[in-house]
Amino acid sequence: QSALTQPPSASGSPGQSVTISCTGTSSDVGGYNYVSWYQQHPGKAPKLLLYEVSKRPSGVPDRFSGSKSGNTASLTVSGLQAEDEADYYCNSYAGSTSRVFGGGTKLTVL
Amino acid sequence: EVQLVESGGGSVQPGGSLRLSCAASGFTFTNHWMHWVRQPPGRGLVWVSHVNNDGSDTTYADSVKGRFTISRDNAKNTVYLQMNSLRVEDTGVYYCGRDSALALDLWGQGTLVTVSS
Repeated sequence: QSALTQPPSASGSPGQSVTISCTGTSSDVGGYNYVSWYQQHPGKAPKLLLYEVSKRPSGVPDRFSGSKSGNTASLTVSGLQAEDEADYYCNSYAGSTSRVFGGGTKLTVL
Repeated sequence: EVQLVESGGGSVQPGGSLRLSCAASGFTFTNHWMHWVRQPPGRGLVWVSHVNNDGSDTTYADSVKGRFTISRDNAKNTVYLQMNSLRVEDTGVYYCGRDSALALDLWGQGTLVTVSS
């Protein structure tokens, strides 16, 4: 149950695109199409952004997109806005109903 | 309103116990698995435990296995986390989450657990 690997930080200017990676193993990210992404603002509960790698819940802007290749999943935020500044976490199903989170990435909008 | 509300957090000495509760409302509770996730101060999210729809199947992170017990009371729309033999490293905000399509699509506001001597 080792944490998925995310870069500690990422940044971009308003209007730009930023991609955050999430690397696991064949036992989690690579083995299932059940990767989800969460956004967390300081002092707030996490919010679901994407599920099943690339599906958006109702209300999530299409500026947020996801993909997966092998053992690495990615979250892309296009058209960066000031309110996108937050922590982002990936999560994967890891078999036997267990889950594993990434260490989190702090996104800064310059 | 669709929501999850956690309670039961507090301060406890190492070796002590706490029982967290998460009350669900606004949706059909029995349609969903439920999870507990914790966040140590200043750190990232850590998955703790899951329970299936009727409470017959549970899973735990290795770090809490044998010390924590998840359960649910579908008559009360509530999920619980019994935490025994608490350690300093169990300190953090504990969130409950609703499972949908193997993602957590609804989160509570969290409850703070502090383990300190």
